[in-house]
This record gives sequence, C-alpha cells and structure tokens, in this order.
Amino acid sequence: ETQMTQSPSSLSVSVGDRVTITCRASQSISNYLNWYQQKPGKAPKLLIYAASSLHTGVPSRFSGSGSGTDFTLAISSLQPEDFASYYCQQSYRAPYSFGQGTKLEIK
Amino acid sequence: EVQLVESGGGLIQPGGSLTLSCAASGFSVRNTYMSWVRQAPGRGLEWLSVIYSAGGTHYADSVRGRFTISRDISNNTLSLQMNNLRVDDTALYYCARDRANWGMSDFWGQGVLVIVSS
Repeated sequence: ETQMTQSPSSLSVSVGDRVTITCRASQSISNYLNWYQQKPGKAPKLLIYAASSLHTGVPSRFSGSGSGTDFTLAISSLQPEDFASYYCQQSYRAPYSFGQGTKLEIK
Repeated sequence: EVQLVESGGGLIQPGGSLTLSCAASGFSVRNTYMSWVRQAPGRGLEWLSVIYSAGGTHYADSVRGRFTISRDISNNTLSLQMNNLRVDDTALYYCARDRANWGMSDFWGQGVLVIVSS
C-alpha cells in the first residue's frame, strides 16, 4: 500500500504569492499523481492529473511537476478564489490513497 | 451534461447496514471506472473503493469485508453496500467518475452524509 505525505499541512499566504505544495509517495508511482482542490462545503475538483497535465478549465497559474516519489503543485500568483484545501492522490496502484491535505489560509 | 447524485445516507446505529446510491447521467457507468471516497467531519479525503469497467473491484483496508461496491448498468447507478457500520464510518460519502487512462476522478457528486451513532 502506498502512503502519500503532503507538506505543509497548512500555509498562511497572501494574494499574489507564489505557493508550492509538495507530495511524497512511499514508493515509486511513476507519474500517476493527481491534485484536487476542495472548498468548504463543496466536493473536490480535479486540478491536475498525470503529475503535470492541467484538467479542462483549470487556470494556467496552476502547475504540477515530479515523477517517481516526489511531486509539487505550484500556484504562480495566488488569487482570492484559490484559498482552499489541496489534496494529492496516487492512481498507480489500488488502494488509490490521498495525501492528508494542505489548507491555504489568508495571511 | 455529466451529473452524479448520491442518496441513501442518514443516521444509523453502530452495527447497522446502509446502502448508498449514486445516479449517473451524461455517461454510462458500464464504460468507465467509478469510485467512492469519504470525508469524516473536519478531516481529509479517504479513498474507499473502485469498480473497473470490466467489473473488478478494490477496497481500502478500513472497509474491506464490510463494504461492497457494485453497479446497476440498466439504471446507470453505482452503489455502496455498507455493513457492520462503526462510529468512525461517520462521514460525507462521495461517488466519483474515474478516467481509465490515468485513474483520476474527473467528476464528483455533491456527497451524502452518513452518521453512525447510538
């Protein structure tokens, strides 16, 4: 079973900041890594799949990178609507585990 | 338009059983992977189960042997039969459509709440 570890668990940031969230897998998952955004009271939304492919309609300020065990989600210039929680998920081998999440808070 | 609508949640006593349903529209559950994910109050996402287009299934250790995922192709619905429910199964349960190529969940329902309490 693959464990996913995200860091940090929370981050205080300001509008316009560049944000980086990391996700580490306990074993190689190639590039089967997905990122989701979740706002309070809402279902998660897919942002990035296959480590670096932007899902339809997702703004280009979001980007993903990495392969093997280490991955990164970056937001180039944080917008007010980006304050949310972010989760990574591996889809290489079931069970398709999630990271514990990163909450972006307003500084 | 793709849509997923969960139903069947509610308050149930520990040890009880409940079946969640997820009505799909805009695509066929026969041709895709479908999964269940839950979120306990104030906690993160927990992956539970997947059913593949060929019918195979996988479960998280936390629910294996107690939960059963299935689909009804004629009604285009996904189900989660939950037995021997425990207090720590209390959560918002989401169904999601997964894409076979990279396994990501590209469409989610709004969630259904299950509360396990005496």
